[in-house]
Amino acid sequence: NAGVTQTPKFRVLKTGQSMTLLCAQDMNHEYMYWYRQDPGMGLRLIHYSVGEGTTAKGEVPDGYNVSRLKKQNFLLGLESAAPSQTSVYFCASSYGGRMDTQYFGPGTRLTVL
Amino acid sequence: AQSVTQLDSQVPVFEEAPVELRCNYSSSVSVYLFWYVQYPNQGLQLLLKYLSGSTLVKGINGFEAEFNKSQTSFHLRKPSVHISDTAEYFCAVTPMNYGGSQGNLIFGKGTKLSVKP
Repeated sequence: NAGVTQTPKFRVLKTGQSMTLLCAQDMNHEYMYWYRQDPGMGLRLIHYSVGEGTTAKGEVPDGYNVSRLKKQNFLLGLESAAPSQTSVYFCASSYGGRMDTQYFGPGTRLTVL
Repeated sequence: AQSVTQLDSQVPVFEEAPVELRCNYSSSVSVYLFWYVQYPNQGLQLLLKYLSGSTLVKGINGFEAEFNKSQTSFHLRKPSVHISDTAEYFCAVTPMNYGGSQGNLIFGKGTKLSVKP
């Protein structure tokens, strides 16, 4: 099992460009999450999904959109990138909700110039 | 709403010494508590979690944590650390009651443990 994989691992964008981050999991998990990690800030939840076709906002959703068309995939989109979106992005998945372990991907390091 | 405070941003320690990483939380409802570890250039992985029952929880790699409800703390301990324990450690909570959220974790800002030979 690959667990949770993220594509790409690194990306550099110019302000105003768009991109999509792909997260895939092969554990048949219902719940999937997108976090961003900034130095000294811990992890903050951007969006999450509790099943195929569902999405919901987390703590810091502005400037991001998500889609969960297939159970195993969770996409994070930036329509018009800003320097404030420079961060490391982590995807995670879990079988159930609040008491279940979340399994994290290796992260995507995004720099917006 | 919940919040998590990790009292030390960095903890340097010598190999084979004991270590305690401190975590305090604030919540108006009961919570589940977690410790995750992030090794350099990797994603996070679960060390241990407290859901109910015994307040002393044992996790992987010889770590343990004790839930203290009166002090709203969940400190992480290891009696003897190794170089390989060098990593960043995150405490996290989520409310037990439904409250409209689907199990979203609230993370602390992390503690960087540096084990020196």
